[in-house]
Order: sequence, then structure tokens, then C-alpha cells
Amino acid sequence: AQKVTQAQTEISVVEKEDVTLDCVYETRDTTYYLFWYKQPPSGELVFLIRRNSFDEQNEISGRYSWNFQKSTSSFNFTITASQVVDSAVYFCALSEPYSGAGSYQLTFGKGTKLSVIP
Amino acid sequence: EAGVTQFPSHSVIEKGQTVTLRCDPISGHDNLYWYRRVMGKEIKFLLHFVKESKQDESGMPNNRFLAERTGGTYSTLKVQPAELEDSGVYFCASSQARGTEAFFGQGTRLTVV
Repeated sequence: AQKVTQAQTEISVVEKEDVTLDCVYETRDTTYYLFWYKQPPSGELVFLIRRNSFDEQNEISGRYSWNFQKSTSSFNFTITASQVVDSAVYFCALSEPYSGAGSYQLTFGKGTKLSVIP
Repeated sequence: EAGVTQFPSHSVIEKGQTVTLRCDPISGHDNLYWYRRVMGKEIKFLLHFVKESKQDESGMPNNRFLAERTGGTYSTLKVQPAELEDSGVYFCASSQARGTEAFFGQGTRLTVV
């Protein structure tokens, strides 16, 4: 069965520091998708990135970057030069096309609460 | 473009009462999902609609939960009768195609007392 582990429950950093959020996943499928979502204090889940299992290229979007390593089943998220607005709960999630009647349902980790201190 | 909207944002009901949550997906999104986060636990899948049809309801906890999506537009999730363990945040999400990014609403925080 699929599983996502976010070992860091809470992280606090001082503004402008870099921070990496860890995500480790388990799956028996060779085809799958990985996601990161941000949940700010307002409550909604904001989509950040989707990566398919055949694309191991790292991705950079502004201050955000993602490191996907199939060898270690990890999909880590780094925020460079953190800002107070980055304070939120971040969720890593996994989706498999061949489980759950093909619904591509998301399996979430427990989330990491990031606090950026000014 | 309007995002996924959920009503109400908060609901406090007594054990044994009925509550109906509503979700309006992004226009044109055939796929609609319901998820739930119970305090301290992961966000868990409840069910998936493709248009008005239930594609997968394997995550529904029991028969006190009933989801509908009449006409393939908005969806409702009814809990009847509510129990204390039903408390949590109920999220709705929609996507254009399966496996693509799902856009989430703000969630409905349900408290059963």
C-alpha cells in the first residue's frame, strides 16, 4: 500500500534562512505522481508542484526547489531565503493511477508546519 | 476564474443531528474529490466523482455518510446522524483530468458536540 512520511512535524527558521522539508514515499507502482501542497493559515490547500515518476529532473520555481530521488524514494522541498509569508503547513502527497478504482486519489503525509520568524 | 468553494466554512452540531456540506468545483472540472482531516491525523480520501457518477467511494467511513453530485456540477456530503468522531475538516477538490493537479477548497470545519 502507498504511504507518505513527513518526519518533520514542525520547523522554525529565521527569515532569510534556507529550509528543506523532507518527504519519503512508499509505493509498489512504477507509475505514480508526487505533489506538494501549501496550507496557509486561511486553510485552503494550495497546489505547488506535480511530478511524475518518470521525470527525475529537479525543479526550481523562484525560491522554491524540489529534489526527486527515486533511489531513496524521496521528494524533498527546499525554500531558499525564507520569508514570513512562507509560514504554513506543507503537505507531500502521492497519487497512483492503478489503485483505488483508478481515481488517482491522493495519499497525504501528516504535514510539516513551517514557522518563519522575522 | 473562481476556485473551489465550500459551504459552510464552519459547522457546530450536536451528536445525532444531520449536517450537509456543499462543494462547488471549478467550472468544467469533471473530477470532484472529498477528503477529510481528523485532528492530528493525515488528510484521508473519502470519495471521487467523475461528473455525476461515483468512481470510487472506498474511503467513506460508513453508511452515515452520503455524497451526491446531481447534474455533475456541485456536490453535497451529508452526515446523518453525526457522531463525535466525525469532527474534522472536510476538503473538496476538483481536477480537469485524473492525475493532474487537484485544486482544493478552504474546507469545512465540522465540530460534533
